[in-house]
Amino acid sequence: GAGVSQSPRYKVAKRGQDVALRCDPISGHVSLFWYQQALGQGPEFLTYFQNEAQLDKSGLPSDRFFAERPEGSVSTLKIQRTQQEDSAVYLCASSPPGAGAFYNEQFFGPGTRLTVL
Amino acid sequence: GESVGLHLPTLSVQEGDNSIINCAYSNSASDYFIWYKQESGKGPQFIIDIRSNMDKRQGQRVTVLLNKTVKHLSLQIAATQPGDSAVYFCAYGTPGGGADGLTFGKGTHLIIQP
Repeated sequence: GAGVSQSPRYKVAKRGQDVALRCDPISGHVSLFWYQQALGQGPEFLTYFQNEAQLDKSGLPSDRFFAERPEGSVSTLKIQRTQQEDSAVYLCASSPPGAGAFYNEQFFGPGTRLTVL
Repeated sequence: GESVGLHLPTLSVQEGDNSIINCAYSNSASDYFIWYKQESGKGPQFIIDIRSNMDKRQGQRVTVLLNKTVKHLSLQIAATQPGDSAVYFCAYGTPGGGADGLTFGKGTHLIIQP
């Protein structure tokens, strides 16, 4: 049915606040990715799930960033004690099952624009 | 909203002309390459992909060329239309490289002039 959805679309946080960003992948997609996109830059990989398993979190910039996907569907990216440098668009992408997530097309959501004041 | 094209290289072409957008990648082990189109306020949208065992692939009005010798990728858009105005990113993947996500290039802002 629908594509990848993300909520909220816009989030303004005061420095030091915790935020939670939600991603609803396309139904049936086993792979889910989070990316961070700074203004005027390309997306940068944060973390990757296959079903509920977080297989790669090498791109998370600090231990303030945490992602989960407890039931293998919806995922939440949490940022604790937000800093101004966390301001960016956070993109979620999902891809269908196949030979491996690597070669499958990633379908992106519209992103959540986070602004930390 | 803010443009995703801010501070990016810009390519301006006349409507109906062909455009070529280039991308250089750094990892010679990369073997999967994709072009994405991103309009303001939206997520990247898949255009076309190519694997390293090919050097050319064509889609509808788009062609991707891969030169592994010089680690260069290009996207050709034929007969550009106003709807082609967007930021275009190349992305590439390297299996076993430690990250399962894609590495994105910096992007090119394509402007179609009437």
